[in-house]
Amino acid sequence: NAGVTQTPKFRVLKTGQSMTLLCAQDMNHEYMYWYRQDPGMGLRLIHYSVGEGTTAKGEVPDGYNVSRLKKQNFLLGLESAAPSQTSVYFCASSSQGLPYEQYFGPGTRLTVT
Amino acid sequence: AQKVTQAQTEISVVEKEDVTLDCVYETRDTTYYLFWYKQPPSGELVFLIRRNSFDEQNEISGRYSWNFQKSTSSFNFTITASQVVDSAVYFCALISGTYKYIFGTGTRLKVLA
Repeated sequence: NAGVTQTPKFRVLKTGQSMTLLCAQDMNHEYMYWYRQDPGMGLRLIHYSVGEGTTAKGEVPDGYNVSRLKKQNFLLGLESAAPSQTSVYFCASSSQGLPYEQYFGPGTRLTVT
Repeated sequence: AQKVTQAQTEISVVEKEDVTLDCVYETRDTTYYLFWYKQPPSGELVFLIRRNSFDEQNEISGRYSWNFQKSTSSFNFTITASQVVDSAVYFCALISGTYKYIFGTGTRLKVLA
């Protein structure tokens, strides 16, 4: 099993450009999450999904959109990137909702110039 | 308000030393869950332990041990006889009446050979 994978691993964008981050899990998990990790701030939840076709806002959703068209995939979109979105993005999944443990992907380092 | 504080930003120890990582949490809920995750240099977060608020029993897993004290709102993590492979960033997290993790800012542990 690959677990949770993220594509791409690194990306540099110019302000105003758009991109989509892909998260895939092969564990048949219902729940999936997108976090961002910034220095000195821990991880903060952007959006999450409790099942195929569902999405919900997390703590810092502004500037991001998500889609969960297939159970195994969770996409995070940036429509118009801003320098404030420079961060490391982590996807996670879990078989059950909170408070169960989550399995994390390796992260995507995004720089917006 | 719910909050997790990891006051130690970075700790350096020499291999075989014992080290304790501190975690202090704040919540008004009587039911909550505490976690520790490890983030090695490869990037992904790895689940280490979950503890619920009704179980104050300390836990030992090999060289790892956790001390949960509700009286001081602390959930500290000790590594005995540290090894270079323990070098990582360690996050403490809280789930308390919400849909999301509240992560601390992490403690970077460097174990020197």
